[in-house]
Amino acid sequence: AQKITQTQPGMFVQEKEAVTLDCTYDTSDQSYGLFWYKQPSSGEMIFLIYQGSYDEQNATEGRYSLNFQKARKSANLVISASQLGDSAMYFCAMRGASNTGKLIFGQGTTLQVKP
Amino acid sequence: NAGVTQTPKFRILKIGQSMTLQCAQDMNHNYMYWYRQDPGMGLKLIYYSVGAGITDKGEVPNGYNVSRSTTEDFPLRLELAAPSQTSVYFCASSYSGTGGHGNTIYFGEGSWLTVV
Repeated sequence: AQKITQTQPGMFVQEKEAVTLDCTYDTSDQSYGLFWYKQPSSGEMIFLIYQGSYDEQNATEGRYSLNFQKARKSANLVISASQLGDSAMYFCAMRGASNTGKLIFGQGTTLQVKP
Repeated sequence: NAGVTQTPKFRILKIGQSMTLQCAQDMNHNYMYWYRQDPGMGLKLIYYSVGAGITDKGEVPNGYNVSRSTTEDFPLRLELAAPSQTSVYFCASSYSGTGGHGNTIYFGEGSWLTVV
């Protein structure tokens, strides 16, 4: 069975500092994809970054980067230069090889950025 | 661009009532999904569809039904509402079922449902 684990229920970071949100996953699929979503207090799901299991380089999107360690089955999100607007819930999710596109989500990490 | 549109945004139901959450996408996506999110939790898949006329159960399908008569629409039916169905419901769509680069999964804004 596939599983996503986010072990940090809540995190604090000082504005302008970097923060790492942890995500570990479990799957027997060889081909899979890992996603990070941001959910602000307004509730919508905002796509941040994607990493494919065969991608050789870590994904980056602006201030977001994904620290992908395949052997350890971890896909941590790094946010550089935190901003107040980064305060939100963050979800790690995985899509397996089934071709159905189903996502398995972790329980999320609440990030608060302090001024 | 409208993207994925869900209606209604908020609804209060009495126990035992039924209702339909509407979902429509205008991106010609083949794959559509319904997720629910309980307070402080991640999203769980209720039902999904890989094309018109094809639907399948996800992780938590009990108490729900879906249909997919067109590519654009994927309504979720709640029969005999129960307090356990109080949740936020998200509809999502994607062009295909694999990959991620250029195959973003688009989410609707969510529908807040309370069963009392």
